[in-house]
Amino acid sequence: EVQVVESGGGLVQPGGSLRLSCAASGFTFSSFWMSWVRQAPGKGLEWVANIKQDGSEKYYVDSVKGRFTISRDNAKNSLYLQMNSLRAEDTAVYYCARGQQVDYWGQGTLVTVSS
Amino acid sequence: QAVVTQPASLSASPGASASLTCTLRSGINVGNYRIYWYQQKPGSPPQYLLRYKSDSDKQQGSGVPSRFSGSKDASANAGILLISGLQSEDEADYYCMIWLSSAGVFGGGTRLTVL
Repeated sequence: EVQVVESGGGLVQPGGSLRLSCAASGFTFSSFWMSWVRQAPGKGLEWVANIKQDGSEKYYVDSVKGRFTISRDNAKNSLYLQMNSLRAEDTAVYYCARGQQVDYWGQGTLVTVSS
Repeated sequence: QAVVTQPASLSASPGASASLTCTLRSGINVGNYRIYWYQQKPGSPPQYLLRYKSDSDKQQGSGVPSRFSGSKDASANAGILLISGLQSEDEADYYCMIWLSSAGVFGGGTRLTVL
């Protein structure tokens, strides 16, 4: 069974940092692009970043460029999102999702940026 | 003008069909893109429904009923999610997505009400 499980969310002050993790199982992690997608409270979905199978290509939505870094460890079947210089508008549930089809999603982890 | 536009809401009756549109901004030719569709119910992560580019390039998500199908309206520059035989359980938010220069772009979502 394909599973992705996010962790690492929480309450952080503006300007702070947080690192999200995503543990994948049930599929060959190293064969898939992986994405982070977020959803602010009561709002729609926003794609945040993705990373190629070997980590050689990474793409970001403009609003997080220079602040967020996506990475992966294929040996650990894990995906990460390092978030720095956090802003109130980064408050959202962050989902880890598989592949170009974004076909399997985790339950998400809530990040709240507030003083 | 947003890259991908969806109507905010749509209502339809049980047993009827609903056609949800995903309009691409002028200059972005829908014929060149795979359109991905997702369903999200309150309190749950999105679920992948299907992708559609053409009748020869389409894929149904695992376990997704055949009454969910994709198409395009080239004259409107739009992707379409058709849901036939509407059921109360189809009441949800629906999002479309495209990949534009390796970055994901979601539409704002359509809330489908079945009444």
